[in-house]
Amino acid sequence: SYVLTQPPAVSVAPGETARISCGGNNIGSKSVSWSRQKPGQAPVLVIHYDSDRPPGIPERFSGSNSGNTATLTISRVEAGDEADYFCQVWDSSSDNPGVVFGGGTKVNVL
Amino acid sequence: QVQLVQSGAEVKKPGASVKVSCMASGYSLTTYDINWVRQATGHGLEWMGWMNPNSGNTGYAQKFQGRVTFTRDTSINTAYMELSSLRSDDTAVYYCARGRGGTYRYYFDYWGQGALVTVSS
Repeated sequence: SYVLTQPPAVSVAPGETARISCGGNNIGSKSVSWSRQKPGQAPVLVIHYDSDRPPGIPERFSGSNSGNTATLTISRVEAGDEADYFCQVWDSSSDNPGVVFGGGTKVNVL
Repeated sequence: QVQLVQSGAEVKKPGASVKVSCMASGYSLTTYDINWVRQATGHGLEWMGWMNPNSGNTGYAQKFQGRVTFTRDTSINTAYMELSSLRSDDTAVYYCARGRGGTYRYYFDYWGQGALVTVSS
């Protein structure tokens, strides 16, 4: 089955840039979305189609996807960005196609 | 505005079944897929499967096949997830999420608030 690998945690100072990776075999050929989840809350979509932002998501959030790595970039990090971030793709390569999530990355704002 | 409102927390004994509802508001349930995702405390997201509420077609993750059933009642704009033969490791928050984008570009644009299911003797 298809596996998405994320670092468990990323630490960043306010105002700096956080980059969260999502590794997968030839993930550049897939469409990646990213969601943010704060404690006790449901996930919220922040990026879909690799780099598209839904309405209401600040321009500080951007995405890229190439080769074996997709990346979510959060510029000018704020305290309110502290959360878990999950990447997600649709995997059609296995006998049981479906959605695959990365393990999640905790963004710590120092 | 679009909302997915789920039923409340449940406590079940091992071997029992649980049925969680997900009521859509702000749009017609039949327009987009509904997916179910669960999350055990301190763990990541686990996809359970999808349903097309218009046709009733479903697709289940291999891990849950034979134990989970997705249904809907379009007259009340509500989708349901029923999980049977519950075990302690089924204890988790269960989310419904609206699926968009088509098969190869799938993403979830709205999520329900989650329903905690606790399995304990």
